[in-house]
Amino acid sequence: EAGVAQSPRYKIIEKRQSVAFWCNPISGHATLYWYQQILGQGPKLLIQFQNNGVVDDSQLPKDRFSAERLKGVDSTLKIQPAKLEDSAVYLCASSLDLGPWGVGNTEAFFGQGTRLTVV
Amino acid sequence: AQSVTQLDSQVPVFEEAPVELRCNYSSSVSVYLFWYVQYPNQGLQLLLKYLSGSTLVESINGFEAEFNKSQTSFHLRKPSVHISDTAEYFCAVTSRNAGNMLTFGGGTRLMVKP
Repeated sequence: EAGVAQSPRYKIIEKRQSVAFWCNPISGHATLYWYQQILGQGPKLLIQFQNNGVVDDSQLPKDRFSAERLKGVDSTLKIQPAKLEDSAVYLCASSLDLGPWGVGNTEAFFGQGTRLTVV
Repeated sequence: AQSVTQLDSQVPVFEEAPVELRCNYSSSVSVYLFWYVQYPNQGLQLLLKYLSGSTLVESINGFEAEFNKSQTSFHLRKPSVHISDTAEYFCAVTSRNAGNMLTFGGGTRLMVKP
C-alpha cells in the first residue's frame, strides 16, 4: 500500500515570497491533516479536512496560510507571504475516517514532510 | 484544552541498557494516548497507542507504555535498546471531544551509543 506522498521534500525561499506544498493521501482515506513542525518542537495541527470540507482550522494563520482539498483527495497548503518564522517541516497525514477512537480506523499515517527554509 | 509534556529533550543511553521516556498530559476529559517515532529523514510512525482496556500496551519491537490516570502519565519503556532505536519519540494525546486532533509533546531524542 502506498503511503502519504508529499512534495517537494525541500524548499528554500526568501521572506515575502509565496510557496505551495502538495499532499496525496493514502487511497480511500477521508481525513487529511496538515501539521507544522518547528525545529525542536512537536507537530502542531494547522488544518483538518474530512473529504473536501474543513473540520478544524483554528490554528491556521489565515492571514497568510491557506489550504484546499477541492476533490476530497489531494491537498495543497500555501503560504503567502512567507515569514522567517514559517521555517519548519510541514507534515501531511491521512486517516481512513473521522470516527470515534476505538473503532480502529482512525490511525493517522504521516508523509515524510516538506522542509521549508525561509531566508 | 489538552497538552503534553515530555520532560527530557534528549536521552543518551548505551546499547542493551534499559530506557524510559517520560510523558505527562493534561486534559479535562477521558483521553487516548499515543507514542510516535520519527527515524532520521523519515515520517512519523505510530509506535503504540492506548484507547481503552489494559493500561499496559506494547509495540512489536519491544517497547511498552503504561497509562497511569492518577499520575496523568504515559511513559515509554524498553528493557534493552538497540542502535536501531535511535530516533525522535513523540507522545501525543487526543480525546473524543478533540475529534481526532492530536496534540503532540515536544519530543525526546533517544541516542543509543555502542
